[in-house]
Amino acid sequence: RKEVEQDPGPFNVPEGATVAFNCTYSNSASQSFFWYRQDCRKEPKLLMSVYSSGNEDGRFTAQLNRASQYISLLIRDSKLSDSATYLCVVNPGNNAGNMLTFGGGTRLMVKP
Amino acid sequence: SQTIHQWPATLVQPVGSPLSLECTVEGTSNPNLYWYRQAAGRGLQLLFYSVGIGQISSEVPQNLSASRPQDRQFILSSKKLLLSDSGFYLCAWSDSPKKRGAYGNEQFFGPGTRLTVL
Repeated sequence: RKEVEQDPGPFNVPEGATVAFNCTYSNSASQSFFWYRQDCRKEPKLLMSVYSSGNEDGRFTAQLNRASQYISLLIRDSKLSDSATYLCVVNPGNNAGNMLTFGGGTRLMVKP
Repeated sequence: SQTIHQWPATLVQPVGSPLSLECTVEGTSNPNLYWYRQAAGRGLQLLFYSVGIGQISSEVPQNLSASRPQDRQFILSSKKLLLSDSGFYLCAWSDSPKKRGAYGNEQFFGPGTRLTVL
């Protein structure tokens, strides 16, 4: 079983749609969770951290369910510029190297 | 604010040639530093990480090596490139757990070097 699993997609949605991505992780002791965005042929960029209480940043909402080891990202009112690959990222949090475990990514394509 | 630089942006090298990629970080001190590789259409693979000057940990055995001669400088090298070394090489930094007083910090990536070995 992969440490961080995501549906690779692609998710093809029209502009204005709401889309949700899910991610599961295997290490129940994981401490920190993030969503990164990677545009084609570019570096990953931190989109948002994910907190147990859930957090929102504009059109983006992230949720964490520790009991089910499940993380989600909701994008409302999709824009063409949201087209990218979204990486679910987990930090076990118990290593001095501060290493991250990356999911394979979910590709989103927003169409006009 | 912190910035991370990588160069060159693109590189085409023949098989068997040497490699040197450089990464520098500005605006922070004592960062953890990382080298990743991303093959076309694939996920990120951690190659090396460093928690301090001269301290290198290797995650994947291969013909690559890394060095950290200064606090904010990280170098990826190879003596002889293979075709399979082609890919997108990304350097990243994070605050060390010692500095933040907590584990689980995010990482920030440089713009990457796209390497093609022919």
